[in-house]
Amino acid sequence: GDSVTQMEGPVTLSEEAFLTINCTYTATGYPSLFWYVQYPGEGLQLLLKATKADDKGSNKGFEATYRKETTSFHLEKGSVQVSDSAVYFCALTPRGSQGNLIFGKGTKLSVKP
Amino acid sequence: NAGVTQTPKFRILKIGQSMTLQCAQDMNHNYMYWYRQDPGMGLKLIYYSVGAGITDKGEVPNGYNVSRSTTEDFPLRLELAAPSQTSVYFCASSQDRATGYTFGSGTRLTVV
Repeated sequence: GDSVTQMEGPVTLSEEAFLTINCTYTATGYPSLFWYVQYPGEGLQLLLKATKADDKGSNKGFEATYRKETTSFHLEKGSVQVSDSAVYFCALTPRGSQGNLIFGKGTKLSVKP
Repeated sequence: NAGVTQTPKFRILKIGQSMTLQCAQDMNHNYMYWYRQDPGMGLKLIYYSVGAGITDKGEVPNGYNVSRSTTEDFPLRLELAAPSQTSVYFCASSQDRATGYTFGSGTRLTVV
């Protein structure tokens, strides 16, 4: 079945460092791809999305590009801040589904001043 | 602008007790979902609904039941609580299949 694999965490970075969180997926057809962020004690929030190959989603300085050839949707940010400390989830919605999201296990990011 | 509201935020249950987790949304979304989140395991889909009167099982439905009598409400019922149901439960809604979800703030449930 469809699945999402994320890099293992935790990831610890210094402020202003470059961030990459790897995400690859297995799916039939062309799923929609998402990144969600969960701050401590809160629910998940949609960070960005892409619905077709070569689309780039972006929000709050974060970017991810839908790569069909490598089945990847890596999350990047050029300069992280302490306030970016959170857990990041990659997810997909299979084509033809009822919108059900399939999540990766999450990657915890800690940014130190 | 409430979005998705879940109640209660915390609850401790004894083994064998029952309870209902409430979820309401005010965005007129047709799609609603229940997920559970366990440490290091991501989120697993319990049940979902594509509209009032329509519900379907997700990946981990055993021990749970749902109903969808209105567009706004999607309660999750736990019958005969077990320690394996200790988790954080999230309700979510969406406008359509590609929009992305709006999540509630979660219910942390402990079964002892």
